[in-house]
Amino acid sequence: GDQVEQSPSALSLHEGTGSALRCNFTTTMRAVQWFRKNSRGSLINLFYLASGTKENGRLKSAFDSKERYSTLHIRDAQLEDSGTYFCAASHQGGRALIFGTGTTVSVSP
Amino acid sequence: DMKVTQMPRYLIKRMGENVLLECGQDMSHETMYWYRQDPGLGLQLIYISYDVDSNSEGDIPKGYRVSRKKREHFSLILDSAKTNQTSVYFCASSYGQGDTLYFGAGTRLSVL
Repeated sequence: GDQVEQSPSALSLHEGTGSALRCNFTTTMRAVQWFRKNSRGSLINLFYLASGTKENGRLKSAFDSKERYSTLHIRDAQLEDSGTYFCAASHQGGRALIFGTGTTVSVSP
Repeated sequence: DMKVTQMPRYLIKRMGENVLLECGQDMSHETMYWYRQDPGLGLQLIYISYDVDSNSEGDIPKGYRVSRKKREHFSLILDSAKTNQTSVYFCASSYGQGDTLYFGAGTRLSVL
């Protein structure tokens, strides 16, 4: 079955507001990464976490391996934050990342 | 300069033709990957390569094969392409197991 469940599938935000994306895991994961796909189709690394939280500008991510989830918070959303965001996680001893199905974020004025 | 390069960026083929997608990385990463991305399905792993001539099937290997003769190059081959292989293909590399993946810009393949 699906090991990485990402939600929501789509998210609409007004500029200046914030929200959170979430990934739930059906098994214990060693680490999680968050990516954003840019307008050219390239995947941009946002965060890599083995535990705890990380913050970069208006983005903040958290990962709890024991509770089997990770979140990505966007605050003070800007138009350039629009895009598709993916979480991906790796097993203990895993050989590749398992991706969620993505969240399409649309930020409007 | 840390880079994963994919060629070509866009490709149109007819059903039954052979397709070769190339990927190169300049980071001396041991592990390389081929994914395809389809709407609503996220990224699906096709093949993973742990080093030269050390390749393993991913989640959806059927209809594909790969070749890795040099550490910096990883090719995806479609013998007799099918219309359901129309997709965007991403190559990636990482230093090792579960480490940060670095992605190429993708190849948009249309099989008519």
